[in-house]
Amino acid sequence: AQSVSQHNHHVILSEAASLELGCNYSYGGTVNLFWYVQYPGQHLQLLLKYFSGDPLVKGIKGFEAEFIKSKFSFNLRKPSVQWSDTAEYFCAVVKAGNNRKLIWGLGTSLAVNP
Amino acid sequence: NAGVTQTPKFQVLKTGQSMTLQCAQDMNHNSMYWYRQDPGMGLRLIYYSASEGTTDKGEVPNGYNVSRLNKREFSLRLESAAPSQTSVYFCASSATGGTRYTEAFFGQGTRLTVV
Repeated sequence: AQSVSQHNHHVILSEAASLELGCNYSYGGTVNLFWYVQYPGQHLQLLLKYFSGDPLVKGIKGFEAEFIKSKFSFNLRKPSVQWSDTAEYFCAVVKAGNNRKLIWGLGTSLAVNP
Repeated sequence: NAGVTQTPKFQVLKTGQSMTLQCAQDMNHNSMYWYRQDPGMGLRLIYYSASEGTTDKGEVPNGYNVSRLNKREFSLRLESAAPSQTSVYFCASSATGGTRYTEAFFGQGTRLTVV
């Protein structure tokens, strides 16, 4: 069965530290990949997405992610986090062409200390 | 630009009561979804609607019914609420058609407590 694994469930960083959140998926075909962010008490918002082309994608608020097909990974990075990045981050994968099967990771809770 | 609008934002029900969660989107999206979010369990799909008049079960459909009233609206009904249905519910929509898939846009969520 398809699955999405987010390796870090809870991450605590100090401001200005670098961030990398891991995401691996199990599906071997063509996929579309997403990172969503959920700030405390809010709904999910798209951070960035990968459909095709350059495997290094840039999103909002200085986030980027790299798709490595050979490793089935789509890790999220930010060079220098801010207190306002405190949120929950979700990786999601959908099989290209399949409207329904958006598979979600369990999320990573990030706390940034000022 | 409203996007996806859910009502109500908060609700407390007694076991056995029924209620309907409303969702509407103004982005002309074909697909709409209902998810529940529970601590440590991520997002789980309850029901999905690919277009007006069609609905499909997701991972956790038991205890729920849905209705895709028109292209804009997709409601979720709990016929007899149970404490296990205490959760945060999110409605989402996306523009899909054929092999095309775009990102999902989410509503603000409904925090439901069943006592």
